[in-house]
Amino acid sequence: SQQGEEDPQALSIQEGENATMNCSYKTSINNLQWYRQNSGRGLVHLILIRSNEREKHSGRLRVTLDTSKKSSSLLITASRAADTASYFCATGTTSGTYKYIFGTGTRLKVLA
Amino acid sequence: GAGVSQTPSNKVTEKGKYVELRCDPISGHTALYWYRQSLGQGPEFLIYFQGTGAADDSGLPNDRFFAVRPEGSVSTLKIQRTERGDSAVYLCASSLNRPPGNTIYFGEGSWLTVV
Repeated sequence: SQQGEEDPQALSIQEGENATMNCSYKTSINNLQWYRQNSGRGLVHLILIRSNEREKHSGRLRVTLDTSKKSSSLLITASRAADTASYFCATGTTSGTYKYIFGTGTRLKVLA
Repeated sequence: GAGVSQTPSNKVTEKGKYVELRCDPISGHTALYWYRQSLGQGPEFLIYFQGTGAADDSGLPNDRFFAVRPEGSVSTLKIQRTERGDSAVYLCASSLNRPPGNTIYFGEGSWLTVV
């Protein structure tokens, strides 16, 4: 079963606008990773944020983590048509196993 | 290698047949994962290896599914008596040393279609 849930399920914006996606999870985590997936094949790693971190940046990407609310957000600034993809969060739990649990994903469409 | 390599990239098989899917992780990565992804869904955890041993196989759906990693590098996911519901993309990933806290890198996946 999926632990994480992304919100919204789908998002359509104009090129140049910012896109915000949210991820909520249920159990305590060690870290959370965001991935991008094009055309239903391989996942591309974007950012890893650890449970003791609150915010990380990478280029046009900004990730926040609120462990008290069990939620994370991914912000893509100045979006481009090439950002069109599905975005997933994956949580690494503290339960003694090292599997990562993925959410259901947000399908982002950036219109040129 | 440069990345996680999976073969075949596409496989069509008849219901009831046996299938093997291969994963070649990034060189030096001791952790290896198998996930399954159905259309419109997120990846679903199947099994995790640390070295040669399966550290967590709680995601394998039933005893038709089995995975091995005999030398701690290449892994094979084996599916017996395939069913149409097994149709999905099977994703392999690897990471350096022991997670959590390490980035996991995914291959392009093997698309399995059972007809």
